Amino acid sequence: QSALTQPPSASGSPGQSVTISCTGTSSDVGGYNYVSWYQQHPGKAPKLMIYEVTKRPSGVPDRFSGSKSGNTASLTVSGLQADDEADYYCSSYAGSNRGVFGGGTKLTVL
Amino acid sequence: QITLKESGPTLVKPTQTLTLTCIFSGFSLSTSGVGVGWIRQPPGKALEWLALIYWDDDKRYSPSLKSRLTITKDTSKNQVVLIMTNMDPVDTATYFCAHSGGYCSGGRCFNPWGQGTLVTVSS
Repeated sequence: QSALTQPPSASGSPGQSVTISCTGTSSDVGGYNYVSWYQQHPGKAPKLMIYEVTKRPSGVPDRFSGSKSGNTASLTVSGLQADDEADYYCSSYAGSNRGVFGGGTKLTVL
Repeated sequence: QITLKESGPTLVKPTQTLTLTCIFSGFSLSTSGVGVGWIRQPPGKALEWLALIYWDDDKRYSPSLKSRLTITKDTSKNQVVLIMTNMDPVDTATYFCAHSGGYCSGGRCFNPWGQGTLVTVSS
């Protein structure tokens, strides 16, 4: 199973919206509604932000939203704040009770 | 509150075997749907899914590393162990263990994660 494809970087100004894409195949992203997104600040463990494509764990602001079309999932961060600056990773169930991660996107708040 | 913590050597030599332990609290690995996984991250690089063990002792491995990995659990001690053989400098990474249950039952995601432990492979 190959890693999911994410853009290496994304950026936006405070208050703006940014969308990060995550492209896989019909064997992972396109085949299951089990895409998740993680936020990772430098030196910290990843934090779950979105699961099952669109759902937010309790405590995650509704500024974070997820979607999927075909083999591509997306994470949108609205109303950008300074603390949103971090690395973001997508992940998908890939069948046979295994998963796969994306290559990560560094989000910069300008 | 669910917590996980990784422990193991910080330095291993090439060709040696790495043994990492994940000690967790706040959940039981005998509960249906629950799993504990291992993920690694080389310095400055992306996350990589390694292995996951489920409540029923089902074990899943990354296809590319399957021959080198073994994951086991001790439900009574709330521990999961990952063994990786024939270590190489490219295996230098922070190794995380993480809970897969609740929102993430069935290995669909991980929440929460341990703090991670950095393992350096060097002679």
